[in-house]
Amino acid sequence: GAVVSQHPSRVICKSGTSVKIECRSLDFQATTMFWYRQFPKQSLMLMATSNEGSKATYEQGVEKDKFLINHASLTLSTLTVTSAHPEDSSFYICSAWYQRGGTDTQYFGPGTRLTVL
Amino acid sequence: AQSVTQLDSHVSVSEGTPVLLRCNYSSSYSPSLFWYVQHPNKGLQLLLKYTSEANLVKGINGFEAEFKKSETSFHLTKPSAHMSDAAEYFCVVRTSSNDYKLSFGAGTTVTVRA
Repeated sequence: GAVVSQHPSRVICKSGTSVKIECRSLDFQATTMFWYRQFPKQSLMLMATSNEGSKATYEQGVEKDKFLINHASLTLSTLTVTSAHPEDSSFYICSAWYQRGGTDTQYFGPGTRLTVL
Repeated sequence: AQSVTQLDSHVSVSEGTPVLLRCNYSSSYSPSLFWYVQHPNKGLQLLLKYTSEANLVKGINGFEAEFKKSETSFHLTKPSAHMSDAAEYFCVVRTSSNDYKLSFGAGTTVTVRA
């Protein structure tokens, strides 16, 4: 299957700083990527849809000025958590939509564990 | 909007016995349904997907799922559990035919006893 990577896998930062997380589709081009947030022992919650070359679409309740998304190329989307606070600590997972031969599937990255002190 | 309900939050089985994870969906059209597995502190891996080509879908690692429209169900099964099957399992539905968003079930934690 298709491969999606995330970097970094873990990050610890101080409150008030900004953190950038990268999501890459390694062997395919993805015009659409997604960012999810997962709290411990809970399901994934969609934060936003990242569209290559245009603005991201945020889900209700997600602060777009706090969670900046940039999809500058067909293989890279970035999520920047600005002015991070302890409540932003979470597991962030990206995914990319893969289409080939009339079928499509969403492939997920391995996730980034963010801890804000 | 489409949604899924996973009926069991936790399933415990003995190694070598069958596994059944239950999922019901609600949809106003023929849905695209998926099962994903997540091992601790890892991303999600696609087990299988239903896209209306066949009601019985075979996936990786011996898993399969059967789409039953009359019961609005998409239960996941495996004939013989292995210790490595211990993980979190998510039933997922594509939210509409017009976009690629996915809606996740609450998840089922599978533990396998030796």
